[in-house]
Amino acid sequence: KQEVTQIPAALSVPEGENLVLNCSFTDSAIYNLQWFRQDPGKGLTSLLLIQSSQREQTSGRLNASLDKSSGRSTLYIAASQPGDSATYLCAVNGNNRLAFGKGNQVVVIP
Amino acid sequence: GAVVSQHPSRVICKSGTSVKIECRSLDFQATTMFWYRQFPKKSLMLMATSNEGSKATYEQGVEKDKFLINHASLTLSTLTVTSAHPEDSSFYICSARVGQGNYGYTFGSGTRLTVV
Repeated sequence: KQEVTQIPAALSVPEGENLVLNCSFTDSAIYNLQWFRQDPGKGLTSLLLIQSSQREQTSGRLNASLDKSSGRSTLYIAASQPGDSATYLCAVNGNNRLAFGKGNQVVVIP
Repeated sequence: GAVVSQHPSRVICKSGTSVKIECRSLDFQATTMFWYRQFPKKSLMLMATSNEGSKATYEQGVEKDKFLINHASLTLSTLTVTSAHPEDSSFYICSARVGQGNYGYTFGSGTRLTVV
């Protein structure tokens, strides 16, 4: 059974600092990995999708890396803004099902 | 992009009544949809996988008679919580695969169910 761990569970950073969110998974046999953002009481918004053959994906200030062999992915958010405050979820896609971590709860302080 | 519309966003019902939650794929056909439940500060828990025109596949421990899933068309899946009790209060989210081959997932906006 795939186990997904996200560290840290929560963090607060001053505006302008770079954010580094970590995700680790136990089974490296995956199709892809997806990072989502969730605001309180809302659904999930897809941020980045990395295929198993890729090492990283970038979208604007967001960059996600994937090291499948070591079971790790990292989401980098450059120059954080208060609007980046949310919970970030890592989801690993293997065997046609998603396994989620518990999330990184981020607060960016103005 | 592919959008899944979920309604209602929140519902309060009395204990013993049934509640229906709808998820519609707006600009694509979703042959498969997924229903999740989310507890505070917990991971999303997959409840069941619904396939258009066939019976849903439920995860272990999920009562199929309590959580009725119907996927009658390529754009609509419904989850009905029957005879709801306070312990069914939770956040329910649907999802669908997007794309061919190495696909991703798109999610609805979620439904906050409160049973009083």
